[in-house]
Amino acid sequence: ETGVTQSPTHLIKTRGQQVTLRCSSQSGHNTVSWYQQALGQGPQFIFQYYREEENGRGNFPPRFSGLQFPNYSSELNVNALELDDSALYLCASSLFTDRVYGYTFGSGTRLTVV
Amino acid sequence: AQSVAQPEDQVNVAEGNPLTVKCTYSVSGNPYLFWYVQYPNRGLQFLLKYITGDNLVKGSYGFEAEFNKSQTSFHLKKPSALVSDSALYFCAVRDRNAGNMLTFGGGTRLMVKP
Repeated sequence: ETGVTQSPTHLIKTRGQQVTLRCSSQSGHNTVSWYQQALGQGPQFIFQYYREEENGRGNFPPRFSGLQFPNYSSELNVNALELDDSALYLCASSLFTDRVYGYTFGSGTRLTVV
Repeated sequence: AQSVAQPEDQVNVAEGNPLTVKCTYSVSGNPYLFWYVQYPNRGLQFLLKYITGDNLVKGSYGFEAEFNKSQTSFHLKKPSALVSDSALYFCAVRDRNAGNMLTFGGGTRLMVKP
């Protein structure tokens, strides 16, 4: 059974650029959530995808968008990057019907915006 | 709205001594509660969860947590700390009736000294 894998592990972008982060969910999981973890803070929920549609969103602007593919993998896209977007972006997969369980997290993508 | 508070930024303990990492939460309904651990430059690793039933939950690596509904707390404990327990610990809550979002506390850094 494979866990959650994220790519790339590190990324440096310039303010105003766009970025795409990728996540492969754990085998058997059909739901993907994305979290932003700024330095020295706890992760904050960005959104969740189930059945290729957004299924819940946190307090993030529309320039944060996502996709989920038929194989349950997912992308996080951020447009018009700002310096404050520098953070560790974590992907977590879960089984939608399993309401009681937690989530399996990937190791994250460290995004630096300069 | 749901929230989590971890009142201590850092907890210092000597190896072999018991440790406690504090967490209090606020949800409008009944909570699912989680503890995760994060090592440097890594994602979140699941430690334990409270769903229902026994208020004392046992998890990975000898950790346990006690759910206290009246005090809305879910403190993490371990009878005998190891130097390898040194890491960043996050408490998280999910309202059973309010979607799929996990809300995390700000984290507590645990330092175990030899």
